[in-house]
Amino acid sequence: NAGVTQTPKFRILKIGQSMTLQCTQDMNHNYMYWYRQDPGMGLKLIYYSVGAGITDKGEVPNGYNVSRSTTEDFPLRLELAAPSQTSVYFCASTSGSVIYEQYFGPGTRLTVT
Amino acid sequence: AQSVTQLGSHVSVSEGALVLLRCNYSSSVPPYLFWYVQYPNQGLQLLLKYTTGATLVKGINGFEAEFKKSETSFHLTKPSAHMSDAAEYFCAVSPRGSARQLTFGSGTQLTVLP
Repeated sequence: NAGVTQTPKFRILKIGQSMTLQCTQDMNHNYMYWYRQDPGMGLKLIYYSVGAGITDKGEVPNGYNVSRSTTEDFPLRLELAAPSQTSVYFCASTSGSVIYEQYFGPGTRLTVT
Repeated sequence: AQSVTQLGSHVSVSEGALVLLRCNYSSSVPPYLFWYVQYPNQGLQLLLKYTTGATLVKGINGFEAEFKKSETSFHLTKPSAHMSDAAEYFCAVSPRGSARQLTFGSGTQLTVLP
């Protein structure tokens, strides 16, 4: 199993550009999450999904959108990128049967200039 | 709302010395508790978790943590540090019965000195 995979690993965006961060898991997990990690701030939850077709906002959703059309994929969309979105983004998933043990992808490092 | 506080953003220990990383939570009901480790340029990996039962929890790589309800703490320890333990460590909590969301502390960077 590949686990949780994320693409791209690195990206530089200009202010106002848009992009989609891809996340795929092959563990048949129902729950998927997007976090951003900023230095000294820990991880903040952006959006999460409890199953295909169901998404909800986390702590810091502004400037982002998500969709969940399949169990495997949970893309994160950035519209009109801003410097404040410079961060490392992590996708995670869990089945829920092993209580709350989230599996993380390797991350996407995004710079907006 | 629950929160997690990790005391000390940076901790340095000598190789072979005791590792102690502190975590306190704020919640009206004891949550589920976790420690994750992040090695450079990698995602987070679960070290250990407390959900119910025995309050002393053993994890991978020789780490353990003890849940103390009276102190609202879940400190991480390892008797003897190894150079390979150098990483960032995150404490996290999740309320019982939630949609499996985690709230993370701000992290502690552990440096192991030779």
